[in-house]
Amino acid sequence: EAQVTQNPRYLITVTGKKLTVTCSQNMNHEYMSWYRQDPGLGLRQIYYSMNVEVTDKGDVPEGYKVSRKEKRNFPLILESPSPNQTSLYFCASSLALTGGNTGELFFGEGSRLTVL
Amino acid sequence: QKEVEQNSGPLSVPEGAIASLNCTYSDRGSQSFFWYRQYSGKSPELIMFIYSNGDKEDGRFTAQLNKASQYVSLLIRDSQPSDSATYLCAVNAYSSASKIIFGSGTRLSIRP
Repeated sequence: EAQVTQNPRYLITVTGKKLTVTCSQNMNHEYMSWYRQDPGLGLRQIYYSMNVEVTDKGDVPEGYKVSRKEKRNFPLILESPSPNQTSLYFCASSLALTGGNTGELFFGEGSRLTVL
Repeated sequence: QKEVEQNSGPLSVPEGAIASLNCTYSDRGSQSFFWYRQYSGKSPELIMFIYSNGDKEDGRFTAQLNKASQYVSLLIRDSQPSDSATYLCAVNAYSSASKIIFGSGTRLSIRP
């Protein structure tokens, strides 16, 4: 089954304790992206990756890191989480956004993070 | 000005009526436009995409694009209670083909 898998789905942590949210897709997609969703603000892009070893900042990258060492995986790292990073996080993947592809994003189920 | 703007709603529509959802965008060179549906607590799912000016129909859904006026809309005919959800407009901006920018979403409620 084609899917994007995120883990953990739910996490409560404390300020300053490093955490990683994993994201894996089995569709051989080039493009992967992380979004956070907050009430009234919609989906805001954190980081994206066009392919292996190619990453770039989205609109709200502060406090986050990513890496893309393999095509299928795109982990999101919070080195020192703070309460303002409490949010619902979505990983998404797509075929390349050019070359006639539709650009449809396939989303993971989301990871709800609470930083105390 | 936000890059993609939507009325947050809630938009309340009686069952069986037409629901009309609107979205405006700021990047005049934007190429691709998407409508995602998101049920409460779930991830977004694509319901329509459109590239060219005009209408595109898929079942009860019609997407309309007017690049000159920089707006895209979604019509839902014969609205059903199962259509109650938040609808997210998304744009693949010309200025950065690697970014898909979302609006904040319109909450739609279909009342029986």
